[in-house]
Amino acid sequence: DAGITQSPRHKVTETGTPVTLRCHQTENHRYMYWYRQDPGHGLRLIHYSYGVKDTDKGEVSDGYSVSRSKTEDFLLTLESATSSQTSVYFCAISDRGEGYTFGSGTRLTVV
Amino acid sequence: AQTVTQSQPEMSVQEAETVTLSCTYDTSENNYYLFWYKQPPSRQMILVIRQEAYKQQNATENRFSVNFQKAAKSFSLKISDSQLGDTAMYFCAFGGNQGAQKLVFGQGTRLTINP
Repeated sequence: DAGITQSPRHKVTETGTPVTLRCHQTENHRYMYWYRQDPGHGLRLIHYSYGVKDTDKGEVSDGYSVSRSKTEDFLLTLESATSSQTSVYFCAISDRGEGYTFGSGTRLTVV
Repeated sequence: AQTVTQSQPEMSVQEAETVTLSCTYDTSENNYYLFWYKQPPSRQMILVIRQEAYKQQNATENRFSVNFQKAAKSFSLKISDSQLGDTAMYFCAFGGNQGAQKLVFGQGTRLTINP
């Protein structure tokens, strides 16, 4: 969907290095979310934002931080990547009740 | 906390057949939303259908329809006249009605449509 973009699409990084994933939206939606997708677990919420500089933790937030300095950008940072953080990461945006619009995902491999 | 369960990890049907994917959920809320998302091999998450809990009428979108049983906390997806392009992972999701809509997803069902 052209209204939301994620970068990068793929990334391989080494254990212990910092990693930042970017989500950019052009829809002016208030809410933004980061999920990770793992086999057998579906999608699990990492962090979400309900406005500029307003963020909160999700179900699996340990080892992750986020920032939202502008309405359109939501960054996910792994301060020190571990192999357990190898996953596919999805950003999503929403207006209440309408469901999500998802980005195309980032496949992150930590070696 | 809400939970969503999809009890069928994999399903396989022949093209043109009808298939039903199961989903159950647990919540103490009265007003909420339920969704089915499709994820083809491209990895893109695509909204298939949406149901508002206060609406008793089951949602339909072309070949896709749901059977929403609020008392039983069941939300199944029926795909009629299945097509090869329906091959995908399907996720059921629950969304609350307050503040940020933090969706809770089921584990997914991998559906294969055979020619």
